[in-house]
Amino acid sequence: NAGVTQTPKFRVLKTGQSMTLLCAQDMNHEYMYWYRQDPGMGLRLIHYSVGEGTTAKGEVPDGYNVSRLKKQNFLLGLESAAPSQTSVYFCASSSGPQVLYIQYFGAGTRLSVL
Amino acid sequence: ILNVEQSPQSLHVQEGDSTNFTCSFPSSNFYALHWYRWETAKSPEALFVMTLNGDEKKKGRISATLNTKEGYSYLYIKGSQPEDSATYLCAFAAPNSGYALNFGKGTSLLVTP
Repeated sequence: NAGVTQTPKFRVLKTGQSMTLLCAQDMNHEYMYWYRQDPGMGLRLIHYSVGEGTTAKGEVPDGYNVSRLKKQNFLLGLESAAPSQTSVYFCASSSGPQVLYIQYFGAGTRLSVL
Repeated sequence: ILNVEQSPQSLHVQEGDSTNFTCSFPSSNFYALHWYRWETAKSPEALFVMTLNGDEKKKGRISATLNTKEGYSYLYIKGSQPEDSATYLCAFAAPNSGYALNFGKGTSLLVTP
């Protein structure tokens, strides 16, 4: 039972470098989400997608881009990493709108930007 | 952005104790409330989704109640066990928040033998 898989699990970047975080789900879910988790704060929504080919901004979208070219994959890109993007990133998916449907989370990606 | 407050921030109980914690949210424009359980080094796992005032949900020794008129939900754990040690998150949704869930900071529970 793979569920939601995130790669990589850990990454260290230098300021200005770029990278892409991959989220893959095998549950045929329409809805996918990217969150960040920072100390002392709740999970904050970065971007989300309500279906293949769609994306939308969440609460903290600046500095990130996303793509949903395939239904099972949701990619989060950092074009020019900044130390403020040091965080733990979680991907989640749900079969319906997150307000009413439970979300299934990945194990997280711990990113440090030096 | 909707404020969701969870209390206490952390809790330490002995095995066998029953415990409860609170999630407070804006009582106007309520849509749904979620509870998640998050063990260290694992992914958050859904416990309950609650939508109706007066709702009560139960999963084993864990139960939750919802009061949308006054804007709070309680999570109860009966006879806590060490494996209940985790952070418990609540998340609130309102119609005017689009598809977004607003998460609280969580209550960190430690159950010692």
